[in-house]
Amino acid sequence: GAGVSQTPSNKVTEKGKYVELRCDPISGHTALYWYRQSLGQGPEFLIYFQGTGAADDSGLPNDRFFAVRPEGSVSTLKIQRTERGDSAVYLCASSLTEADTQYFGPGTRLTVL
Amino acid sequence: QKEVEQDPGPLSVPEGAIVSLNCTYSNSAFQYFMWYRQYSRKGPELLMYTYSSGNKEDGRFTAQVDKSSKYISLFIRDSQPSDSATYLCAMSDRGSTLGRLYFGRGTQLTVWP
Repeated sequence: GAGVSQTPSNKVTEKGKYVELRCDPISGHTALYWYRQSLGQGPEFLIYFQGTGAADDSGLPNDRFFAVRPEGSVSTLKIQRTERGDSAVYLCASSLTEADTQYFGPGTRLTVL
Repeated sequence: QKEVEQDPGPLSVPEGAIVSLNCTYSNSAFQYFMWYRQYSRKGPELLMYTYSSGNKEDGRFTAQVDKSSKYISLFIRDSQPSDSATYLCAMSDRGSTLGRLYFGRGTQLTVWP
């Protein structure tokens, strides 16, 4: 079956612009996670959803970052007023429930010029 | 100090060698321990998953957890060039941070023919 998909695969933007990153989880998976991976580092947790609600958003670095999952499936990570330090690979993962194995997508590589 | 420490390498070994990868951690609440493999420009994929202390074997891979020392290991026997990737350890307590994973920075492994 299809895995986790993320679009776009690459996004180049200018400092100060707004970006949206999309994640399509594995069908039937109720939990969805966003992580950020900077060059040479491991993934760092941002937020996770159980169903439509954000169960834990303590990893979001500041109020420029926001994520939604309105119908409990697709999720969008939104970044306002992008900064060069936001450049990283943004990874999405999903799991059947929040207690199960997380399956990762290929990531969106964000570059802020 | 980060909660999970992992030597980034790089580690370069000949085909057929035994590889040892390690992580240490500081949070004694961690109960679930995972190893992910990440190929270049791909998302992490789960290799091994263990709960609490002990050993687990799967083919050429053996995962060990020593909770008393807060130390986990992954051994790869008869290493192959296709094992060349970055190996990430990850852990969670499945309690107050249910679902959230804490990653090491990853060890880059190259297996040369």
